[in-house]
Amino acid sequence: GIQVEQSPPDLILQEGANSTLRCNFSDSVNNLQWFHQNPWGQLINLFYIPSGTKQNGRLSATTVATERYSLLYISSSQTTDSGVYFCAVTVMNTGFQKLVFGTGTRLLVSP
Amino acid sequence: NAGVTQTPKFRVLKTGQSMTLLCAQDMNHEYMYWYRQDPGMGLRLIHYSVGEGTTAKGEVPDGYNVSRLKKQNFLLGLESAAPSQTSVYFCASSYGGLTYEQYFGPGTRLTVT
Repeated sequence: GIQVEQSPPDLILQEGANSTLRCNFSDSVNNLQWFHQNPWGQLINLFYIPSGTKQNGRLSATTVATERYSLLYISSSQTTDSGVYFCAVTVMNTGFQKLVFGTGTRLLVSP
Repeated sequence: NAGVTQTPKFRVLKTGQSMTLLCAQDMNHEYMYWYRQDPGMGLRLIHYSVGEGTTAKGEVPDGYNVSRLKKQNFLLGLESAAPSQTSVYFCASSYGGLTYEQYFGPGTRLTVT
């Protein structure tokens, strides 16, 4: 099956710093989503980005489907950015679609 | 607009007991999903529904049943809980399947002793 790997696995930042998270996938996909799981466990959809670039405030994402990777940029990080960031791709399983989540990047932003 | 809500937030069951988890969404989404999240295994799809009155099995359906009597609600039932069902359960919804944005509920932390 498809492999979805994220790097780095862990990241510690000082508040105000910028960072880039990477998601590599082993096969062609039709879509890709980025999620943030906050320290309370809530999963929040950040971007639906099968290709191209999107921006939302301090966050932006770029997917280059032909090269099988996506990047999530966090600028001017804040303590509320802490948590785990997942990318997820949709694949077809036996008779149904499913989301395959990446391995996650755990981010800690310290004040 | 509450989005996706789940009840309860926490529950402790003894082996063999039953319970129902409720998911509700107010976005008029057709598709709804139940996932479980276990350490080191990511999220796995339990059951899903493509519309009112429909349900289908996902990756790990054994030990669970679901119902979608109303479009806005998706219920997950455990008839006879087992310790292997200790997990965090997430409900999600989307407008038109997994090629659309997924919106997740806050999760239910279930412990089976």
